[in-house]
Amino acid sequence: AQSVAQPEDQVNVAEGNPLTVKCTYSVSGNPYLFWYVQYPNRGLQFLLKYITGDNLVKGSYGFEAEFNKSQTSFHLKKPSALVSDSALYFCAVRAFTGGGNKLTFGTGTQLKVEL
Amino acid sequence: NAGVTQTPKFQVLKTGQSMTLQCAQDMNHEYMSWYRQDPGMGLRLIHYSVGAGITDQGEVPNGYNVSRSTTEDFPLRLLSAAPSQTSVYFCASSYSNGGISYEQYFGPGTRLTVT
Repeated sequence: AQSVAQPEDQVNVAEGNPLTVKCTYSVSGNPYLFWYVQYPNRGLQFLLKYITGDNLVKGSYGFEAEFNKSQTSFHLKKPSALVSDSALYFCAVRAFTGGGNKLTFGTGTQLKVEL
Repeated sequence: NAGVTQTPKFQVLKTGQSMTLQCAQDMNHEYMSWYRQDPGMGLRLIHYSVGAGITDQGEVPNGYNVSRSTTEDFPLRLLSAAPSQTSVYFCASSYSNGGISYEQYFGPGTRLTVT
């Protein structure tokens, strides 16, 4: 069975500081990994994905994520946080092969960026 | 391009009532899915479809039915509503190539309350 862990329910950071939202995963074989963002009362929006290739993936709004196979992690990062980045962030995983088309989500991390 | 649309936005049901949540997409995506979002639990997959006429169960299928008669539409039916089905429901779709789906596009959600 595949699973995702987001160990922090909430992350607080000051505007202009770097931010990291953590994600670890468990899946059989190679993973597809995704990050999504959810603003209040909205659906989820796709930020970035890792399928294969370079371990550092760049996505929307200046976000990037680093795939680390040995640590089974896919942490989301941004060099300089903005107040408008405050939202709920979800990491998701599915198996590269097999596992059907089922995407498994983490429980989400609330990011709060303060002035 | 409307993307993924869901109706209604809000619904209140009494225990035992049935209803259908509508989902449509205009991106010609083969893969569609339904999730429910509950506080502290992330998103959980209810049912999914890899194309017209093909559906399968996700993580929490009990109490829900789906069908996929067209590529565009993927309705979710609640057979006999229970308070445990109070949740926010999201429909999503994605491009699929060779049976592998990629990043999913989410609708705005339906907030359902069962009393």
